Amino acid sequence: GAVVSQHPSRVICKSGTSVKIECRSLDFQATTMFWYRQFPKKSLMLMATSNEGSKATYEQGVEKDKFLINHASLTLSTLTVTSAHPEDSSFYICSASISSYNSPLHFGNGTRLTVT
Amino acid sequence: GESVGLHLPTLSVQEGDNSIINCAYSNSASDYFIWYKQESGKGPQFIIDIRSNMDKRQGQRVTVLLNKTVKHLSLQIAATQPGDSAVYFCAENGQNFVFGPGTRLSVLP
Repeated sequence: GAVVSQHPSRVICKSGTSVKIECRSLDFQATTMFWYRQFPKKSLMLMATSNEGSKATYEQGVEKDKFLINHASLTLSTLTVTSAHPEDSSFYICSASISSYNSPLHFGNGTRLTVT
Repeated sequence: GESVGLHLPTLSVQEGDNSIINCAYSNSASDYFIWYKQESGKGPQFIIDIRSNMDKRQGQRVTVLLNKTVKHLSLQIAATQPGDSAVYFCAENGQNFVFGPGTRLSVLP
């Protein structure tokens, strides 16, 4: 149980284009999902908390107009990287938790974004 | 603020030996801790968790120890196997989950 699916696993796009990444909870409902970014050989950095039916909460320093998050249902959150630039190239990972209290985060397998 | 740090960013062990991966945390109010394993190109995988009302919890070949006095967390892997090679992260549950920098475990044949 507690499977989180993320798609696509890899994407290459040109500078200036937008890319959408999907995160789905397959066997549970997630009112909250989390989006992380990970640089090579570094830890996970929380970008934003995605809340079903309401606006996402962004961490300090993360541009909300650049990284658009939509959580339209209890099983789907999307992250759109708008007007992507090479510095946006990174590994993006989503996660969700079955319960909001003392419950582990379950992660998707990440999306490797390369902007050329 | 909250922070979780890891000692020994790399760890090499012989196959069959036991591994110990350490983690220090700074938020004494954290009451829930998790260890994750991340293989190359994949998302973190849940290994084991522990609540602050416990000081030890065992799983299959893994044991997590929590020392709240010195705010220290460790992961012990028994009879380490090649498949255990990965980066291991500890995480504490404060306002949000905070992840440590990770320890890369290499298992030598």
